[in-house]
Amino acid sequence: GAGVSQSPSNKVTEKGKDVELRCDPISGHTALYWYRQSLGQGLEFLIYFQGNSAPDKSGLPSDRFSAERTGGSVSTLTIQRTQQEDSAVYLCASSLTGTSGDTQYFGPGTRLTVL
Amino acid sequence: GEDVEQSLFLSVREGDSSVINCTYTDSSSTYLYWYKQEPGAGLQLLTYIFSNMDMKQDQRLTVLLNKKDKHLSLRIADTQTGDSAIYFCAEKPRLTGGGNKLTFGTGTQLKVEL
Repeated sequence: GAGVSQSPSNKVTEKGKDVELRCDPISGHTALYWYRQSLGQGLEFLIYFQGNSAPDKSGLPSDRFSAERTGGSVSTLTIQRTQQEDSAVYLCASSLTGTSGDTQYFGPGTRLTVL
Repeated sequence: GEDVEQSLFLSVREGDSSVINCTYTDSSSTYLYWYKQEPGAGLQLLTYIFSNMDMKQDQRLTVLLNKKDKHLSLRIADTQTGDSAIYFCAEKPRLTGGGNKLTFGTGTQLKVEL
């Protein structure tokens, strides 16, 4: 594809339900990142995948959050037992190699609203 | 720790220059970035500067880096209504190791008035 795509674009869920957010990176990009953009808090790093290496999960806020990247391409971010404070825009980015200075290209995001 | 700060709002008249400021705390930062976010869209990389540089110019954009004061600025010359957006600065701290994990500021909303 031409860029990073994410689905769904909007998700409204009830507190306590699980949600899955999907990211399709740019073809050929080996690095994939998830960030969260909360109102008034800027962008917060969540998790990073690089090739076949173990992911960097240091930004995940709790064990309710998990992510996987199948076949080195598509990634799914799962939030279990959602809470109202999980409401945010979840942004995915990919880059060619993941090395310093490598440009990250962002998708349009998924806006999650937890009622 | 890593902390990046920006003012929240800036209003300028069309045709004037805009200067968006950012301060960061991690002196080991290797790269510093400026991203633009338009409503409903993802982040678009505008420009970046390596930490051993003090200035970078790209058409209407000028980035200034003061490492001593840990201050980064983005100047947009001849600001147009299409420049209205949220601008984020971001740093890549050296201590994060491999990869390009970024720390973002809270964003500055630029409003361009006619």
